[in-house]
Amino acid sequence: DIQMTQSPSTLSASVGDRVTITCRASQSISSWLAWYQQKPGKAPKLLIYKASSLESGVPSRFSGSGSGTEFTLTISSLQPDDFATYYCQQYNSIGVTFGGGTKVEIK
Amino acid sequence: EVQLVESGGGLVQPGGSLRLSCAASGFTFSSYWMSWVRQAPGKGLEWVANIKQDGSEKYYVDSVKGRFTISRDNAKNSLYLQMNSLRAEDTAVYYCARPYCSSTSCLSDAFDIWGQGTMVTVSS
Repeated sequence: DIQMTQSPSTLSASVGDRVTITCRASQSISSWLAWYQQKPGKAPKLLIYKASSLESGVPSRFSGSGSGTEFTLTISSLQPDDFATYYCQQYNSIGVTFGGGTKVEIK
Repeated sequence: EVQLVESGGGLVQPGGSLRLSCAASGFTFSSYWMSWVRQAPGKGLEWVANIKQDGSEKYYVDSVKGRFTISRDNAKNSLYLQMNSLRAEDTAVYYCARPYCSSTSCLSDAFDIWGQGTMVTVSS
């Protein structure tokens, strides 16, 4: 199985901050990586697919980059609606796997 | 509107069984691989199983192999998860999820549509 490791696990930030979350794969996954946002009691919401493609309707302050084993999700200017937990997911192999999550908290 | 609605969750004793359902609407259900993903309380996301458009291929995470069975009924636009020999560690919210692409080769993909989830609690 491909292991996905996210860092940090928790991040404290203020509105307007630039925020970066890292996701590392235990082996190369090319660009087969997605990012999700999840709020308490809600289903995950797809933000980014294929490492850097923005899902329709997602604000342009969200961006993704990387390939191979190292990936980043960047929020260029954190908004009040962005306080949530973020997950990466690899889909390079049968049996997709998710990172452990990064909780973005209000500083 | 594209929608997935899960049902069938509840409280069950260890060793018991439960059948989850997921009703799809607003898209051509028979064109997509479909998956179940779960989330234990306060924990991260874990893919559980998926099934090909015609039901001819199924894959499971190791921890549920031999206990869970995924199935679908394209005539009813429905996805199912039969869960047997349930354990405390199966306690989670179970989501059905649709992959981004509709090709028969998309057995691994990002998920663009999720249901609201159904809670399964395994406890005596």
